[in-house]
Amino acid sequence: LAKTTQPISMDSYEGQEVNITCSHNNIATNDYITWYQQFPSQGPRFIIQGYKTKVTNEVASLFIPADRKSSTLSLPRVSLSDTAVYYCLVGGTGGGNKLTFGTGTQLKVEL
Amino acid sequence: DTEVTQTPKHLVMGMTNKKSLKCEQHMGHRAMYWYKQKAKKPPELMFVYSYEKLSINESVPSRFSPECPNSSLLNLHLHALQPEDSALYLCASSQNLNGGTQYFGPGTRLLVL
Repeated sequence: LAKTTQPISMDSYEGQEVNITCSHNNIATNDYITWYQQFPSQGPRFIIQGYKTKVTNEVASLFIPADRKSSTLSLPRVSLSDTAVYYCLVGGTGGGNKLTFGTGTQLKVEL
Repeated sequence: DTEVTQTPKHLVMGMTNKKSLKCEQHMGHRAMYWYKQKAKKPPELMFVYSYEKLSINESVPSRFSPECPNSSLLNLHLHALQPEDSALYLCASSQNLNGGTQYFGPGTRLLVL
């Protein structure tokens, strides 16, 4: 069973770039890596998804090394409203490991 | 439209009650999921439906009974719950099971007394 781990918490200041890593040593060939943002008492909100190398959208970038055993979510120029818990989700029920959320990283952004 | 809706938002029930949680999506997704989330923990997968058929049951106790009446709706029937079942119950949907992005609803906050 894949064990997916993240740092428990990170602190940053407005305007800085934040990089959050996720370790997924047992990732299977068919597994995708997806990152979510969650505010208290709300459902997780999709940020970005990737399979390998680098993916970028309007809010974040996702870096996945060749061995795919880890991934890094990069948030450019964070603001106070980015204070939330960030989860990586690894897996695909169509094959490979079952869907497993990472342990979650509480990001706190200050002025 | 990437919206998944869930009702009710909050639910308080006794251990002898029967209640149901409802989830709806109109994105044409054919995979739907139930998750349970305790405070300060990641969501835990409970059930997965694919094309209205139960695909995965993560050894969930029988006091939780899922139902998928059609491709847009997913229910979770609750009966004889325990206080430790109190949690945020999240519904999600994706285009299919092959790694498609899951979109989550806002959740139902359940309190079992």
